[in-house]
Amino acid sequence: AQKVTQAQTEISVVEKEDVTLDCVYETRDTTYYLFWYKQPPSGELVFLIRRNSFDEQNEISGRYSWNFQKSTSSFNFTITASQVVDSAVYFCALRPASGGSYIPTFGRGTSLIVHP
Amino acid sequence: DGGITQSPKYLFRKEGQNVTLSCEQNLNHDAMYWYRQDPGQGLRLIYYSQIVNDFQKGDIAEGYSVSREKKESFPLTVTSAQTNPTAFYLCARTSPGQPVGKLFFGSGTQLSVL
Repeated sequence: AQKVTQAQTEISVVEKEDVTLDCVYETRDTTYYLFWYKQPPSGELVFLIRRNSFDEQNEISGRYSWNFQKSTSSFNFTITASQVVDSAVYFCALRPASGGSYIPTFGRGTSLIVHP
Repeated sequence: DGGITQSPKYLFRKEGQNVTLSCEQNLNHDAMYWYRQDPGQGLRLIYYSQIVNDFQKGDIAEGYSVSREKKESFPLTVTSAQTNPTAFYLCARTSPGQPVGKLFFGSGTQLSVL
């Protein structure tokens, strides 16, 4: 069985602060994919990143960066110099890479509030 | 957008009534999914369909039904058996041309009980 834990229910920061959203997962699969999605107030989830389990390189995209550590089963997401537009609910998800029905499991989400 | 159109944006259900949420995709892709979102609960899978005329139950299928008669349409019916239907419902699809597993979501339907 798969499980994704986002222990932070809500995070509140002031603009320009750096913030890290935690994601810890459990799986018996040897190969899998990890994802982050952003849900702004409009409601539609937007894909941010996918990481393969066999690729532990960290990734940076503008103000966003992701730290994947297989040894601790974590896939954390950092926003540098946060902005008000970053306010949203962020979801971490996990999906097997082979076999089965390829259904992703989502965490409960972390609500990020960035104050001006 | 993600190539998924959901309607209506808001829907109200009376006691004992069935209601149907629409989900249409215009990109001729196979896999479609229905998720339910409750505050603080994340996304929970209701049903999914990999091909036309075939669909599978997810984790919380009780009280819901779906059909997949056409590739582009995957409507969700919330039946009277679903005693706590108030939630935000999201439809999604995958795409063979994108990173494997990436989901494209519609804008959602908020269902409330009168």
